[in-house]
Order: sequence, then C-alpha cells, then structure tokens
Amino acid sequence: EPEVTQTPSHQVTQMGQEVILRCVPISNHLYFYWYRQILGQKVEFLVSFYNNEISEKSEIFDDQFSVERPDGSNFTLKIRSTKLEDSAMYFCASSEPLWLNEQFFGPGTRLTVL
Amino acid sequence: QQQVKQSPQSLIVQKGGISIINCAYENTAFDYFPWYQQFPGKGPALLIAIRPDVSEKKEGRFTISFNKSAKQFSLHIMDSQPGDSATYFCAASMNTGNQFYFGTGTSLTVIP
Repeated sequence: EPEVTQTPSHQVTQMGQEVILRCVPISNHLYFYWYRQILGQKVEFLVSFYNNEISEKSEIFDDQFSVERPDGSNFTLKIRSTKLEDSAMYFCASSEPLWLNEQFFGPGTRLTVL
Repeated sequence: QQQVKQSPQSLIVQKGGISIINCAYENTAFDYFPWYQQFPGKGPALLIAIRPDVSEKKEGRFTISFNKSAKQFSLHIMDSQPGDSATYFCAASMNTGNQFYFGTGTSLTVIP
C-alpha cells in the first residue's frame, strides 16, 4: 500500500540553526501539507501546497518557515532559525486531486531544539 | 478560537465494551469529518470519515454518528479490544479549503 514517508525520524538541533525536514508524498497525490504536534497536544495545521505554491497557511507558519518541492518526489519544510518552542513532531500529509479531504499522514519527524 | 471540541480527554474501557468519543464543531461550512487513530510514535491514520449528508456510517466495529442540527459527531467503537488502545482525533474541514481542524484528542485504554 502506498504511504507517505518522512526523514529523518528524529532531528536534534541547536537553537538558531536551520533544519530541513523531508517528505516523500504518495506518488499520484498533488496536494501536500505540513502539520505539527507539540508533545501531548493536538495536531495543528501549518501549510498546504499545490501546483508549486502555498495554497493556505496558518498563523504558526511565519517567515521562519518555508516549503519547497525541489523535485518530482520530495516535499520539504525548512525552519530557518529554530527556537525552543519549535520542538514538536512534524507530520507531512498528502491527498489526491479528486479527494482533497482524504489526507494521508506520514510517520512524522520528531524535532528537538536544544 | 477552537473550531473542534473533543471529549473526553481520556477513556478507559473493558475489553468487549463500547468506547464513545464525542466532538462538536462551530463552523457550519465544515463538510468532512474524519476520525484519526494514532499510536505512540506514529502518524495519525485515517480510521473512518463522514459527510453531513448522512447521519451514520459504519465500518466494521467503528461507527460515526452525525447530528447536523446539534453540530456534533461521535465515534463508537464496538467490542473494544486492547489493540484499539491509542489516541483518537476527530477533525473537520471545509469543501473549499483543505486545512484540517483537529480536536484535542482522546487517549483510549482498553483493559483486557
């Protein structure tokens, strides 16, 4: 069964450093998303991406965040200057063109900012 | 503003019992209501979903009940099993948007 994959599974970084989280969405999906989940809290939407541009973003997704689809398979989330409060699980998700609502989530990347 | 409210925060059920988790929403523009199951260290996995044109949807032991007038929907897990022990999130989204608004999650423990 096709699945969304994410790398790395765990990333530890120093405050102020840049990190790039990587995702490989399901191959025929065209809509891509990033969510985050602070430990013990609910899943929060960050951004959605379609046709090489951001289609929607939340208040959390400020100027320190950016997304990119650098090639035909990868979808990345970059955090330019990490803060302690960026520590969370980051989930990538993707959906098909005709079933926008059915989003499939990856296993997540645990980001720890020290 | 909390778009989707979920209760209870945690739930303990005996094996074979019925688990019931409730969600309420405010935005009448929502038209897709999924439930996700999450095991520790894993991403949320779609369990079952419903659209507001039906009042109930059943898939195996899992049933969603939907009350459009009350703006509430619930997940019922029949014959609960220890393997169902996980965190369950309800969510909602709009037809024209693609952002999911998640509830705060319910930690379900099924005791053997």
